[in-house]
Amino acid sequence: EVQLVESGGDLVQPGGSLRLSCAASGFIFSNYWMDWVRQAPGKGLVWVSRINSDGSSTIYADSVKDRFAISRDNAKNTLYLQMNSLRAEDTAIYYCVRDVGDFDDYWGQGTLVTVSS
Amino acid sequence: SSELTQDPAVSVALGQTVRITCQGDSLRSYYATWYQQKPGQAPVVVIYNKDNRPSGIPDRFSGSSSGNTASLIITGAQAEDEADYYCNSRDSTGNHVVFGGGTKLTVL
Repeated sequence: EVQLVESGGDLVQPGGSLRLSCAASGFIFSNYWMDWVRQAPGKGLVWVSRINSDGSSTIYADSVKDRFAISRDNAKNTLYLQMNSLRAEDTAIYYCVRDVGDFDDYWGQGTLVTVSS
Repeated sequence: SSELTQDPAVSVALGQTVRITCQGDSLRSYYATWYQQKPGQAPVVVIYNKDNRPSGIPDRFSGSSSGNTASLIITGAQAEDEADYYCNSRDSTGNHVVFGGGTKLTVL
C-alpha cells in the first residue's frame, strides 16, 4: 500500500525557516518524481515544487522560487521541503504527492505550516 | 491568478447529471486531471488523462475535452459526490503545474 506521511509543520514567525519531510513507503520511491502542493485555509490547491526521480532536476512555482528548496534522499525514501524567509501567505497545509507524469496519483494527509507572529 | 478557470460553485439534484468545466489555453496542449476533495481530507484523483478513471472510482464519473475546455461529468450524482473538485494541468509553458480555483459541488 502506497503511503506518504508528512511531518515538520509548525508555527513559525515571519522570516523564519522550516523543513518539511515526507516519508514514503509501499512503492519504489527512487522511481518516481515527487511534488509538493499546498492549500491555504479555506482556499484552493496550489502546486509548489517538483523534483525528478534522482534529485538532479527541480522546479518551483514563482511564488516560492529562491525561498524554498525541494530535495530527496532515496536511500531513506524521504522527500524534503526546506522553506526559508517564510511569509504569512505561506500559511497552508503542505501535501507530499507522487507524480506519475501526467498527474499526481497519491497524496499524503498533509502537514500544517502557520506563519504568524 | 490561476491559468485554469472553474466556476466557484455548481449544484445538482440527486440522481441528475452535472458537468463541471475547466477552461484554459494550456488545455489545448495538455490533458486535464480532476481531483475530488472532501472536507478535512486529501484530494483524490477521479479522472486522469482527460477521460480515464483510477480503479475504485465509480463509473458515473467521466471526463471529456474540447478545445480549451475540459469537463468532469457526473452521471447520476449521489449525495457522497458532494465535494470540491479541482482540475489541473500544465501551464502554457509546459514547465509548471497549475490548478483551477476549484468548484464546490452541492447535491440537492
